[in-house]
Amino acid sequence: QVQLQESGPGLVKPSQTLSLTCTVSGGSISSGGYYWSWIRQHPGKGLGWIGYISYSGNTYYNPSLKSRVTMSMDTSKNQFSLKLSSVTAADTAVYYCARAAFSSPGAFDIWGQGTMVTVSS
Amino acid sequence: DIQMTQSPSSLSASVGDRVTITCRASQGISSWLAWYQQKPEKAPKSLIYAASSLQSGVPSRFSGSGSGTDFTLTISSLQPEDFATYYCQQYDTFPFTFGQGTKLEIK
Repeated sequence: QVQLQESGPGLVKPSQTLSLTCTVSGGSISSGGYYWSWIRQHPGKGLGWIGYISYSGNTYYNPSLKSRVTMSMDTSKNQFSLKLSSVTAADTAVYYCARAAFSSPGAFDIWGQGTMVTVSS
Repeated sequence: DIQMTQSPSSLSASVGDRVTITCRASQGISSWLAWYQQKPEKAPKSLIYAASSLQSGVPSRFSGSGSGTDFTLTISSLQPEDFATYYCQQYDTFPFTFGQGTKLEIK
């Protein structure tokens, strides 16, 4: 079955760019029919949607983060990525990648296990 | 942004109990609502989508209802593995937003 796995540095310095990758196994990200999202969870807090990239490469970012977010996909590696620039301590969180069907772009049926990112000097 | 408000924020219950969690949207979202279960140190797990559709593999003791602004998640007979935090989430309007969570604890 389809599985998602996040990867990237666990520690990022303030003002630098956070870069994470989600590797999809068991299915192709470019085969159509799905949106690929990033979601984060601050320590001990609730969930916040960052944005998505579609199978065709279209993106939508949460306006609260839009100026700092870039999402992309590498179909040859079956991966999609998140870049968040100018990070501060407020960006310290567990970051999840997740899949949603085209018919319900915000209903996340499969999640990665999550990766903790700490912003600190 | 659409605000999602869950009640209660926490709940104590016993195995076998029937439990209902409520989620209210700050504006109408039709049936574009999902429910997730999250256990400590784990990723959320999808339970319900489109307000009342059960995700594949989810036990039938879980059910969802509602439309517009008011929604409920019901667990008909609590099992030990159901003690977790539950989140609702709307996907009617960008940006998608989550409720603050309801922590379900063992009484």
